[in-house]
Formats: sequence, structure tokens, C-alpha cells
Amino acid sequence: EPEVTQTPSHQVTQMGQEVILRCVPISNHLYFYWYRQILGQKVEFLVSFYNNEISEKSEIFDDQFSVERPDGSNFTLKIRSTKLEDSAMYFCASSEAGARQPQHFGDGTRLSIL
Amino acid sequence: SQQGEEDPQALSIQEGENATMNCSYKTSINNLQWYRQNSGRGLVHLILIRSNEREKHSGRLRVTLDTSKKSSSLLITASRAADTASYFCATDESDFGNEKLTFGTGTRLTIIP
Repeated sequence: EPEVTQTPSHQVTQMGQEVILRCVPISNHLYFYWYRQILGQKVEFLVSFYNNEISEKSEIFDDQFSVERPDGSNFTLKIRSTKLEDSAMYFCASSEAGARQPQHFGDGTRLSIL
Repeated sequence: SQQGEEDPQALSIQEGENATMNCSYKTSINNLQWYRQNSGRGLVHLILIRSNEREKHSGRLRVTLDTSKKSSSLLITASRAADTASYFCATDESDFGNEKLTFGTGTRLTIIP
């Protein structure tokens, strides 16, 4: 069964550095998402992406964050000037038809900011 | 309280028993979805119920939706050790259907062999 893949599985970065989290969504899906989950807390929406542009973003997704679909398969989340509070699991998801269909999640990237 | 709150927060039952988890939400929704998360893993979609549906089944799973009470329940029958996980409800409130899911706080289910 097709699945969403994320790399790396664990990223350790010094505070202030930039990180890029990578995702390969399911190939025929059109909607892409990033969520994050701080340890012990609920999964929080960051951003949705459709037709090569951001369709919605949360208050968390400020100028520090950006997303890109550089080619036909990858979907990336860039975090600039990382802060300690950016430490979390970051999940990529994709869907055939937006939030009215199931979203398929990757196993996440655990980001640790030191 | 926040959109999508599950109760109980934690539930431990004996293998073979049924497990029921509840979810409440606050706004109008297009659909409600249930996901499972094993420790350290991503979320796995279990079942989606649309706002005009009242009940849905999938294998050992039964989901109900009461839009008048803004609540949903997930029933897992004949539980197995492999069902041990956290379970989250998630709501789609969007007007256009391409935006976010709002997740609840989750129920941590432990099945005792």
C-alpha cells in the first residue's frame, strides 16, 4: 500500500540554525499538510498546500516557516532560526481530496533543538 | 474546552473486552475522523463519518456521530493487545474541504493481555 515517507526520522540541530524536513507524499494525492506534535500534546495543524500554493496556515506558521514542493514528488518544510520551542514531532500528510477524505500520515521527523 | 476533546484521557481494559472512547467538539463540521497512533509512530486513519451520517462500521470498529450534541464515540469490540495505542478524533470544519483537520487531545488505550 502506498505510504507517505519522511526524512530524516530524527534531526538534532543547534538553536538558531535552519532545518529542512522532507516528505514524499503518496503519488496521486493533491493535498499536502504539515502538522506538529509537541511531546505529550495534541497534534497541531501548521499548513496545507494545494495547487502549488499554501491554502491555509495556522498562527504557528509564521515567517520562520516555509513550505515548498520543489519537484513532482517532494514536499519540504523549512524552519529558519530554530528555537528551543520548535522541538517536536513534525508530521507530513497527504490526501486525495482535502480534509473530506482520509489524510495519510508519515511516521514523522523528531526535531530536537539544543 | 477545546475543539475535539476525548474522554477518557486514558483507558485500560482486559483483552477481549470492548473499549469506548468519546469525542466532543464545538463548531459545525463536514466530517469527523478517528485516527490511531502507536507510540513513536504517525497517525493511521481508522474511519471517517460525514456530518449527515449517524453510524458507521469498519471491522471491529463502530463510530457514532450526534451532531445535535456535537459528539462522537468510537467503539472497539473484542479488543486485542495490538489495539494498545492512542486514539484521536479529528474534525474537518472547512468551507472548501481542502484545509486542516483539528485533532482532539486523545485517549490512551491499554489492552491488558
